[in-house]
Amino acid sequence: GESVGLHLPTLSVQEGDNSIINCAYSNSASDYFIWYKQESGKGPQFIIDIRSNMDKRQGQRVTVLLNKTVKHLSLQIAATQPGDSAVYFCADSRGEYGNKLVFGAGTILRVKS
Amino acid sequence: NAGVTQTPKFQVLKTGQSMTLQCAQDMNHNSMYWYRQDPGMGLRLIYYSASEGTTDKGEVPNGYNVSRLNKREFSLRLESAAPSQTSVYFCASSELGRAETFGSGTRLTVV
Repeated sequence: GESVGLHLPTLSVQEGDNSIINCAYSNSASDYFIWYKQESGKGPQFIIDIRSNMDKRQGQRVTVLLNKTVKHLSLQIAATQPGDSAVYFCADSRGEYGNKLVFGAGTILRVKS
Repeated sequence: NAGVTQTPKFQVLKTGQSMTLQCAQDMNHNSMYWYRQDPGMGLRLIYYSASEGTTDKGEVPNGYNVSRLNKREFSLRLESAAPSQTSVYFCASSELGRAETFGSGTRLTVV
């Protein structure tokens, strides 16, 4: 991921709408990508992952898309619910560090009821 | 099944004091990690242990030391705390090639 400093981007969506959270990564050697959700006062919680030999992976209400050409990752959340409000982080695993993850700065998702 | 357990949850230190943050996992994972998270930022890796008996520096290791006590436990020590080390500290564990599981964090304030 890439750091965007102290001002996290914020996405506000209406309950029931779909959400798309984007992330850019910088290292073309990265081969493993993860999305985490972090609620206030808690540790990051795994949502979904994808490896570089795939360009799409689906979970329950979530889909991750990987575009290696432009080094872009996105998380799609279907039928967004108030419980989805959190900070979302992408992380990538770089070849020279093995399994150690490099995190982006995060995106705040706010769900309006 | 507790996952990753960190102690303490909160701590206030005076500049120059030392302390050890404890972390234990019950998932039989080989790899363990310590991260810090500052306001409005992502997590940054301090140290990691790929397997029992090995430790290596991450992105921001200065001012910290670690000990992989056994397969379950990985501690982080601040020898002489500084205000710049005020942060939230997260421990995590994983198997190689799999997502990391995080603890709930230790909120440290250095005054």
